[in-house]
Amino acid sequence: DAKTTQPNSMESNEEEPVHLPCNHSTISGTDYIHWYRQLPSQGPEYVIHGLTSNVNNRMASLAIAEDRKSSTLILHRATLRDAAVYYCILINYGGSQGNLIFGKGTKLSVKP
Amino acid sequence: NAGVTQTPKFRILKIGQSMTLQCTQDMNHNYMYWYRQDPGMGLKLIYYSVGAGITDKGEVPNGYNVSRSTTEDFPLRLELAAPSQTSVYFCASPSSTSGVITDTQYFGPGTRLTVL
Repeated sequence: DAKTTQPNSMESNEEEPVHLPCNHSTISGTDYIHWYRQLPSQGPEYVIHGLTSNVNNRMASLAIAEDRKSSTLILHRATLRDAAVYYCILINYGGSQGNLIFGKGTKLSVKP
Repeated sequence: NAGVTQTPKFRILKIGQSMTLQCTQDMNHNYMYWYRQDPGMGLKLIYYSVGAGITDKGEVPNGYNVSRSTTEDFPLRLELAAPSQTSVYFCASPSSTSGVITDTQYFGPGTRLTVL
């Protein structure tokens, strides 16, 4: 599975948008881009995923660059509950055993 | 539908003791995974299973064993606990169709293990 690069940490103010970047320059054509987050003392939880087109759901939006070498997770209005470690993960369902390969992620702090 | 459940939530072991971490899913999923997470790090795969009776090693399998006698249960066994196994253990399971994973992974709440 291809590698991803994320900033170690980011800060945001409550109720402001947050853009979490992820670089994945070696992504293959069949790699899906997944985002998970891990709240303190909890297991990871799914946020969003996409392949080529931008995606929206109730939690966030995912913007994928045209060349797919980078993506951005967008939280439209950060809340204190969004303080977590966010992981950007690439997965090729057809070519792997299906497990998620976690890096260190980006620790997001939200200030009131 | 409880999803993925794990027991116990916390456990302290002495060096050399053994224990079994329990994981159960009620979603009828074939795939199940065991990860460990050391402080400040991402999760690493210990073992995984693609169905009842089938298990395989992940990235860090040494010191652990697993079994999968039913679809629902995927216990992780530590035979001789060592301080290096102090970690938080997560069980996870995605849905799949015809052997292809089709959905996100659902994680359990974790078991925090300390070996002294």
